[in-house]
Amino acid sequence: GAVVSQHPSWVICKSGTSVKIECRSLDFQATTMFWYRQFPKQSLMLMATSNEGSKATYEQGVEKDKFLINHASLTLSTLTVTSAHPEDSSFYICSALLQVVGQPQHFGDGTRLSIL
Amino acid sequence: SQQGEEDPQALSIQEGENATMNCSYKTSINNLQWYRQNSGRGLVHLILIRSNEREKHSGRLRVTLDTSKKSSSLLITASRAADTASYFCATDRGSTLGRLYFGRGTQLTVWP
Repeated sequence: GAVVSQHPSWVICKSGTSVKIECRSLDFQATTMFWYRQFPKQSLMLMATSNEGSKATYEQGVEKDKFLINHASLTLSTLTVTSAHPEDSSFYICSALLQVVGQPQHFGDGTRLSIL
Repeated sequence: SQQGEEDPQALSIQEGENATMNCSYKTSINNLQWYRQNSGRGLVHLILIRSNEREKHSGRLRVTLDTSKKSSSLLITASRAADTASYFCATDRGSTLGRLYFGRGTQLTVWP
C-alpha cells in the first residue's frame, strides 16, 4: 500500500516552456504532499509543502511564482515550473503523508526535467 | 539549507561485510528517519526512530540515535550487492507539520 505515482518521469523541452508535473497518491488520501528538488549526487532540497484546499507553503529561497503548486484534491498535487530555463533542469520528487505527525513519507519515482 | 551531514560520503565494501553510515544534525527533533534511493529513483523509507528511542532494528538494519550528540548511525549487516544505493537521513527539525530535511547522503557500493 501507500503508493505514490509521479508523472511524467522524464521531460525534455525548450527554454521558456512551462512544465507541469503530477503527483498522485494511488491508494490513500493525502492532505499533505511535499515537493523536493535534487541535483546530481546531492541531497533532496525541500521546496514546498502542498496542502489540499489551501495555498502551498514555500521554503525560504524558493520562488512561488516560478514553481506553482496546486493541490486541488486529496489524491493529486501538481508542480508547474513556469517559463523554465536551463538552470531549472533537475530531478523533482514528490512525497505524500498518510498522517502528519511522526510518520514516514511515501515518495514518487521522480521527474527528470531537462531544459534545452 | 540541509539539515545535517552524513559520513562517509561514499563507502565501498565487499558482500558480507557490515556497512556503517553516520548522520549528524543541528536542531532539536521529534524523530529521525533513514531513506534509501536507488540511482534516478524516488526514496524508500527504511526506518524511523523517535527522539526518546536509542536503538531500533529492522531485519539487517540497526539504527542508533544519540540526541545529546545530535547524531545517528545506520548499520547494515551482512551487506549484499542489492544494498548498493544512496542512503539519507532526514529530520523534522522539531516541527509537527511533517516536513523533512535531508542530509547529503552516503553512496554505498557493495561489490559481489
